[in-house]
Amino acid sequence: GENVEQHPSTLSVQEGDSAVIKCTYSDSASNYFPWYKQELGKRPQLIIDIRSNVGEKKDQRIAVTLNKTAKHFSLHITETQPEDSAVYFCASNPTTNTDKLIFGTGTRLQVFP
Amino acid sequence: DAGVIQSPRHEVTEMGQEVTLRCKPISGHNSLFWYRQTMMRGLELLIYFNNNVPIDDSGMPEDRFSAKMPNASFSTLKIQPSEPRDSAVYFCATGGTGNEQFFGPGTRLTVL
Repeated sequence: GENVEQHPSTLSVQEGDSAVIKCTYSDSASNYFPWYKQELGKRPQLIIDIRSNVGEKKDQRIAVTLNKTAKHFSLHITETQPEDSAVYFCASNPTTNTDKLIFGTGTRLQVFP
Repeated sequence: DAGVIQSPRHEVTEMGQEVTLRCKPISGHNSLFWYRQTMMRGLELLIYFNNNVPIDDSGMPEDRFSAKMPNASFSTLKIQPSEPRDSAVYFCATGGTGNEQFFGPGTRLTVL
């Protein structure tokens, strides 16, 4: 079945540096790739998503890139701030059931001031 | 819009008791998902509904778990009897027509 691998599992950066989180998916027909941010004790919140008809999408300091040939997508956070510290999850939709999302195992990002 | 509403927010119960978790989806959303989150297993999809009909329950761990969606504005997840290993945060999420899912605040369940 569909599988989503995410790495690294933990990432520590200095405030102002960039952070990159990568995910790979197995179903070449997947067409939707969201990223969620979960702060401690809170719900996962959708921060950005990309569909398979584009290669890159930006929203202020965050961007997502998609490489359909290699079946991987990445989250890029520039000029990191302490409030970016959270667990980030990637996901994709298995084409056998497009409403469903398969989530990665999460990346704990710590931004040190 | 109030977003996805879940109740209770916290539940502490004793092993063997019945637990019922509730979810009110965002108005107009036709998909509803129940997830369980633990440190060990991460975010697991238990079951999801589309237009009130269960579509995929392959993630439901065992017969002690059941879920219903009697109408478009309400769903329940029931655990009977509960066990300590059921302790987790249970999230309800809902979605419209564009694949996006929006999560509720979750219910933190502790089974003693």
